[in-house]
Amino acid sequence: GAGVSQSPRYKVAKRGQDVALRCDPISGHVSLFWYQQALGQGPEFLTYFQNEAQLDKSGLPSDRFFAERPEGSVSTLKIQRTQQEDSAVYLCASSRRDSSYNEQFFGPGTRLTVL
Amino acid sequence: GQQLNQSPQSMFIQEGEDVSMNCTSSSIFNTWLWYKQDPGEGPVLLIALYKAGELTSNGRLTAQFGITRKDSFLNISASIPSDVGIYFCAGLTRGGADGLTFGKGTHLIIQP
Repeated sequence: GAGVSQSPRYKVAKRGQDVALRCDPISGHVSLFWYQQALGQGPEFLTYFQNEAQLDKSGLPSDRFFAERPEGSVSTLKIQRTQQEDSAVYLCASSRRDSSYNEQFFGPGTRLTVL
Repeated sequence: GQQLNQSPQSMFIQEGEDVSMNCTSSSIFNTWLWYKQDPGEGPVLLIALYKAGELTSNGRLTAQFGITRKDSFLNISASIPSDVGIYFCAGLTRGGADGLTFGKGTHLIIQP
């Protein structure tokens, strides 16, 4: 597609539920990033993929967070046993492989609310 | 996590005024990016800066990459109502294999 798409746009979960958030990057973009944006804050980096390889997961806040990109295109961010502090907007971004062009293009985000 | 120091936090201006906001960091960045985020949407890229000292324009927007590589500013000339939103600076320390470090945002409000 023309831009990064994410689904669902909104997700309400009860505390303890597992959730899965999907990201479709821009066609041909090799790099894919996940960010977490708390209310009133800037996005914070969670994890990075180059093709199917997860090269950096240093930003994942706990082992309840897991991301995958098995075929190097669509990515899923999974949160197990959700907690109230997981409530945030989860943003996906993609970029070209060429390291001279570092622009990351963002999707609309998934707003997760944990009750 | 680490965030850039972005100021001001919010700006209340009249339509037609010029706007200036900036970001500073204690760390060196190799790339500076400026994004605008509207409510319920993801950040949209406005300007990308790749070289220290670089000055780049995009319509009414002008941004500069500081010589020390630790700061950047964004100017908006002759503001219009659709400029309302939250503006974020973001930095990259390495090449493409890098998560962005964001500022906390500048909330631009245009008074009637």
